[in-house]
Parts: sequence; C-alpha cells; structure tokens
Amino acid sequence: KAGVTQTPRYLIKTRGQQVTLSCSPISGHRSVSWYQQTPGQGLQFLFEYFSETQRNKGNFPGRFSGRQFSNSRSEMNVSTLELGDSALYLCASTPVGNTEAFFGQGTRLTVV
Amino acid sequence: GESVGLHLPTLSVQEGDNSIINCAYSNSASDYFIWYKQESGKGPQFIIDIRSNMDKRQGQRVTVLLNKTVKHLSLQIAATQPGDSAVYFCAENMGAQKLVFGQGTRLTINP
Repeated sequence: KAGVTQTPRYLIKTRGQQVTLSCSPISGHRSVSWYQQTPGQGLQFLFEYFSETQRNKGNFPGRFSGRQFSNSRSEMNVSTLELGDSALYLCASTPVGNTEAFFGQGTRLTVV
Repeated sequence: GESVGLHLPTLSVQEGDNSIINCAYSNSASDYFIWYKQESGKGPQFIIDIRSNMDKRQGQRVTVLLNKTVKHLSLQIAATQPGDSAVYFCAENMGAQKLVFGQGTRLTINP
C-alpha cells in the first residue's frame, strides 16, 4: 500500500508570493492533518480535515488555509509568504476508527 | 496548557546499550500519548503509543512508561542499534487528530 505522498518535495518562493502544497493520503484514510516543522518551534499543528470538513485548527494566522477534496486528497495554501514561513510542512493521514497518524516525507519550503 | 516537553535535547549511547528518552507533559486530562521517530529527510514514524489507563506498554525492543502522577512519559529502547539514530518525539493526542509534539531528543549511537 502506498504511503502518504506530498508534492512537491522542495519549493523556493519569494516573500509576498503564495504557495499551494499537496497531500495524497493513504488509500482509505479520510483524515488528513498538516504540521509545520521548524528548528525553533518544532512540530506545530496547522489543521485537520475529515470528509472535506475542517475539524480542528492550530494557532496560525489566516494566511494559512487548507481544504480537502472528496477523494480525501488535501491541499494547504499559504498566502503573502514571509521569511518565517520557511519550514518543512508535513501531512499525516489517519484511518477511520484509528488514532495512528502516518506521515509523509514533507515539503521543504524556503522563502527568500 | 498544551505543552509537551523533553528533559534532554541530545542523547548519546553506545551500541548495544539501552536508551531512555524522557518527556514531560502539562495537560493532566490527556489520555493518549505517542512516540515518534524521525530520521533525516523523512517524516515522523510511529513507534509506540499508550493510553492513560496503562502504566506500561511494550513493543519490539521498545517500552513506553507513563507516570500520570508526575505527568512524565519515557521511551526505553533495548540493545540500541545504529539504525536507532534519529530524533525522537513524544506527542499528546488532543483529539480530532491534533497532536502536540515535544521538542525532540536526538539519539546518537556510538559504535
């Protein structure tokens, strides 16, 4: 069974631009959550989607948004990029009735 | 509040020795904890979990201990191998798949 797939793996953007990251969960998993990982703040929860609905949201500004499609694939968008948004963005999927989250390899975003 | 922390940021052990990684949490109402391993260039990988109605849980070469009285969690790795080199995170499941992670401990194995 294929794991969680995140695209692209690496991305370089300029301040002020926007970016969209994609996550394809493991087949059959309907919950997708997103995390930001930085050396200073560690792993921080962004938001979680289940059946196209956002169920939970972390303490990030409104520039960070996401959505989930009917096939459970998810995207997150960051608008008006700032240097501090440079991070590894991780996506995790979880099967229904289970609590074990399976993480993708992440998208490394660099803002210059 | 929501915070999960670690006592030590780095840990260096000899190959074959046992490793113990510690973690403190602050939310006494938390009922589910997980340990993750993250190797360089990869996402976190589930190692073992424990619910608050348990004090101890064992897996293959790993044991997690939970002390609810002092809100402390530990991961024990037996007979540490080179492949165990990684950053280890404890995490607290806050519900609806929201995980609150500790800062991580880098485990280095010396030959």
